Amino acid sequence: IAGITQAPTSQILAAGRRMTLRCTQDMRHNAMYWYRQDLGLGLRLIHYSNTAGTTGKGEVPDGYSVSRANTDDFPLTLASAVPSQTSVYFCASSEEEGESGELFFGEGSRLTVL
Amino acid sequence: GQNIDQPTEMTATEGAIVQINCTYQTSGFNGLFWYQQHAGEAPTFLSYNVLDGLEEKGRFSSFLSRSKGYSYLLLKELQMKDSASYLCAVRDGNYQLIWGAGTKLIIKP
Repeated sequence: IAGITQAPTSQILAAGRRMTLRCTQDMRHNAMYWYRQDLGLGLRLIHYSNTAGTTGKGEVPDGYSVSRANTDDFPLTLASAVPSQTSVYFCASSEEEGESGELFFGEGSRLTVL
Repeated sequence: GQNIDQPTEMTATEGAIVQINCTYQTSGFNGLFWYQQHAGEAPTFLSYNVLDGLEEKGRFSSFLSRSKGYSYLLLKELQMKDSASYLCAVRDGNYQLIWGAGTKLIIKP
């Protein structure tokens, strides 16, 4: 593994189903993030984690939950998917907030909720 | 509210120079980023500006004016592989990143 790995790459899901998007990084970064990207809109932050064991809500957290049991993994769960959650989801990580804070992104997970 | 404005789409010719502008209104400022995103791929970091002035990195340069709430990304000697979306993002006073919707750059031969 090099960088950030997301799974699945793509998924079609029936409304009401539960779905977990997986994210794993091997860079030992403290901070991790989940974004959604929709056409015509900027990336929107769903949840973030500044370090293992802590999480926080971003701009659009409703309908999503996260956990950060260790440094490497940061899964995103949709408890009961709805069509408005159709989007491309990006997981990202960064070393420190104080420096440039460059984000490293995974390749994305394209989710379609029918 | 906070917002980032950048043109939706631009077209340029291979070998030419293009400037992509970004204006922002945020509560506080702790740096401005430019990312490149090819269609269907992840964004990748291009540049970071926190002080006024020009940062040059190869064919790409980024400029910042904090007093004007303005930045631009300058791409020289355009190549076909530069066809992508360019995302401007500002870190606000709470160290939260605010993202623009991106500028789709189309390069024509």
